[in-house]
Formats: sequence, C-alpha cells, structure tokens
Amino acid sequence: QVTLRESGPALVKPTETLTLTCTFSGFSLGTRGVCVSWVRQPPGKALEWLALIGWKDDKFYSTSLKTRLTISEGTSKNQVVLTMTNVDPVDTATYYCARVLSNNWGFDLWGRGTLVTVSS
Amino acid sequence: VMTQSPLSLPVTLGQPASISCRSSQSLVYSDGNTYLNWFQQRPGQSPRRLIYKVSNRDSGVPDRFSGSGSGTDFTLKISRVEAEDVGVYYCMQGTHWPFTFGGGTKVEIK
Repeated sequence: QVTLRESGPALVKPTETLTLTCTFSGFSLGTRGVCVSWVRQPPGKALEWLALIGWKDDKFYSTSLKTRLTISEGTSKNQVVLTMTNVDPVDTATYYCARVLSNNWGFDLWGRGTLVTVSS
Repeated sequence: VMTQSPLSLPVTLGQPASISCRSSQSLVYSDGNTYLNWFQQRPGQSPRRLIYKVSNRDSGVPDRFSGSGSGTDFTLKISRVEAEDVGVYYCMQGTHWPFTFGGGTKVEIK
C-alpha cells in the first residue's frame, strides 16, 4: 500500500526557516520514473506547486520561490525534506507531498497535508 | 498560466457540468504526449487525481467523469452530477517547468 505523510511544525515565526518532512511507503524514490513533489494551499485558496525531486536526484522549483526552497532526500531513504527560508505570514498554508510518476507527470497519490501557520 | 472557468458552478443533481481549462501555451510535449491532469478536492480533504494525460481516468473514478481537449484548451465533464461531486476541481499541467495549477472551479448543488 502506497502512503505519504507530511510532518513539521504547526507554528513558525516570521523570518525563521521551515523544515517539512514527507515520509512515504510502498514505493522507492530510487525507482526509475518515481518522483516526490510538494504543493501548498493557503486557507481558502488554490493549490500552488512548490518543488519536485526525481529518481536521479534532479530537482525542480517554483520560479517565484526557488531562492527560498530546497528539496532533498532525507536521512532515511523513504523521506523527502523541504526547507523554506525566511518565512512570512503569506506562507501560512497546508503543505502536501505527493508521488509523481514521470510516465504521466501527474500527482497520483497525496498525503493528508500539514497546516503551517506563520505568526509571531 | 492555467486559466479555469467558471469560478463557481451551481448544478442541479443529475444534470451535466462542464469545466474549462485554458493554457497560455501548448501543452504538447516533445514526446507527443499532453500532460494535463484534473484533480478533485472535496471539502476538508486532500486533492485526488481524476484524469491524467487529458482523458485517462484514474482507477476507481466513476465513468461520469471525462476529460477532453488538445493543445491549449481542455474540458472536464461530469455527465450527471451527484452529491458526492461537490468540491473544487483543478487542472494542472506537467508539460512545462514549473508545473502549474489552475485557479480552481467550485462545484456546488443548486
């Protein structure tokens, strides 16, 4: 069974660095064609794509956020980590991770998301 | 840029619904595929993919959902809306980096 679960702090202060972890099971990031991506959704607003890491360790980022984002494989082989520097209240959102398969570039499975609030 | 319309779609149960998604550039990739996806997000839930590569339904998706289109213009149709279809629908392109989502269409029952 394929599952993904996001974890991280519920509250961060402005200017701090946010670190989120996606822990997955049922697939391997080392398998050809397998990727993991992050998407966020501010309360009441639309989905926004953030970043993706592929099976060859290639990485892609949102144009508007790329100077603040880093996506990487975690210390465990079944984890992907997203860091966002210098957070602001506008970064308040539910953050989702999802599996992406390169044969259709669609997000076929999603985690339940984790709500992050940026406030002093 | 992915532009969806309408923003809100009130529908009578059992009636059809249609959502439009327009891209600012062609979504045909160099391999000949068009990486256009549709997602459903029910209230309080994570998004769920319904359609990939324009018209391919995911496993478990009712056949009342269908996707069509080409190039820059795409449509998601629900042949007969049921109560469980209430939610927000998003298109998303995976052809060009960065990936982009449409702004969403809220489907509600009249």
